[in-house]
Amino acid sequence: GDSVTQMEGPVTLSEEAFLTINCTYTATGYPSLFWYVQYPGEGLQLLLKATKADDKGSNKGFEATYRKETTSFHLEKGSVQVSDSAVYFCALTGAGGTSYGKLTFGQGTILTVHP
Amino acid sequence: EPEVTQTPSHQVTQMGQEVILRCVPISNHLYFYWYRQILGQKVEFLVSFYNNEISEKSEIFDDQFSVERPDGSNFTLKIRSTKLEDSAMYFCASSDRGDTQYFGPGTRLTVL
Repeated sequence: GDSVTQMEGPVTLSEEAFLTINCTYTATGYPSLFWYVQYPGEGLQLLLKATKADDKGSNKGFEATYRKETTSFHLEKGSVQVSDSAVYFCALTGAGGTSYGKLTFGQGTILTVHP
Repeated sequence: EPEVTQTPSHQVTQMGQEVILRCVPISNHLYFYWYRQILGQKVEFLVSFYNNEISEKSEIFDDQFSVERPDGSNFTLKIRSTKLEDSAMYFCASSDRGDTQYFGPGTRLTVL
């Protein structure tokens, strides 16, 4: 079945550092890929998405590119802020058929940014 | 901006009791979902619901669980006889076309 693997956390960075959180996936066909963010005490918020190979999703300075050849969707940000401290989840939906958009999540990566 | 809402934010119950978790999806959305997140673990899919019926469910979603859309706005998850291992954060989500899902803030269920 479908699966998502994220880099082990937690990740601790200083403000303005460069961020990469790795995400790889296993799925048949062409899934849609997502990054969700969960701030402390809150629910999941969609951060960005990409629906086909080579698409780049971007939002709030974060970017991720759908790489079918490496089955990856790594999250990057050039300069993190303290307010980016949160848990980041990579996820995918099945490639059509009758999956009705069921999301498969990675285990989440805790990011802590220090001033 | 429209958002998914969930009530209550925290529910404490005794083992064996029934609980109903409530969700109000975004109003023009047609696909509805429940997920759960046990503390420190992955977010796991429970069930999807479309056109007034379950379209997919996971192995977690056994006979103790049921979902209902009792009116045009609410979407509920019922756990008939709660177990200790049902303690988790439960998230409702909705989607207009079955692709991008928007999540509610969650209900933390504590089973004692």
